[in-house]
Amino acid sequence: GAVVSQHPSRVICKSGTSVKIECRSLDFQATTMFWYRQFPKQSLMLMATSNEGSKATYEQGVEKDKFLINHASLTLSTLTVTSAHPEDSSFYICSAWDAGIFHEQYFGPGTRLTVT
Amino acid sequence: EDKVVQSPLSLVVHEGDTVTLNCSYEVTNFRSLLWYKQEKKAPTFLFMLTSSGIEKKSGRLSSILDKKELFSILNITATQTGDSAVYLCAGTNNAGNMLTFGGGTRLMVKP
Repeated sequence: GAVVSQHPSRVICKSGTSVKIECRSLDFQATTMFWYRQFPKQSLMLMATSNEGSKATYEQGVEKDKFLINHASLTLSTLTVTSAHPEDSSFYICSAWDAGIFHEQYFGPGTRLTVT
Repeated sequence: EDKVVQSPLSLVVHEGDTVTLNCSYEVTNFRSLLWYKQEKKAPTFLFMLTSSGIEKKSGRLSSILDKKELFSILNITATQTGDSAVYLCAGTNNAGNMLTFGGGTRLMVKP
């Protein structure tokens, strides 16, 4: 099946710094990628939809100036958490949509962000 | 607003028991219902259900969709400790590109 990778898998940063998370589709082109956040013992919450070559669409309550999304190519989307705070500590998961035959969404393995 | 609700929130059973997890949905332009298993990392795909009444099976897991009553169930027979996980269901829209997740059911299987 299709593979989506995320990098890094785990990151610890200090308050006030910025962190970039990469999401790559490895064997298919993804015109659309999604970014989710998951807090402990909670379900996945969609943060934003990232479309290649255009601005991301953010869900209500998600600050677009804080969570910068760039989808510069058909295989790469990045999420940058700017001026991170401890409350941003979470598990961030991306998914890539394969609009081919199967119309499947494939999840990356996730990135555990800890802000100290 | 699209909504997916799972029940129960959590469940503790013993090995060998059979469990049924429930998922009800209200999704605009509904296309499919997906089930995922999530252990420590990202969800892993279990089933995609598009048609009513057709059971999908994979080993001890099976699932079925009722598009009239807007729900799906996931059955696990002869549970094992390795089945302990959070099970998520999600509804997807017509284009197949938007997932609305339920809150998940946390299953713990005791030896």
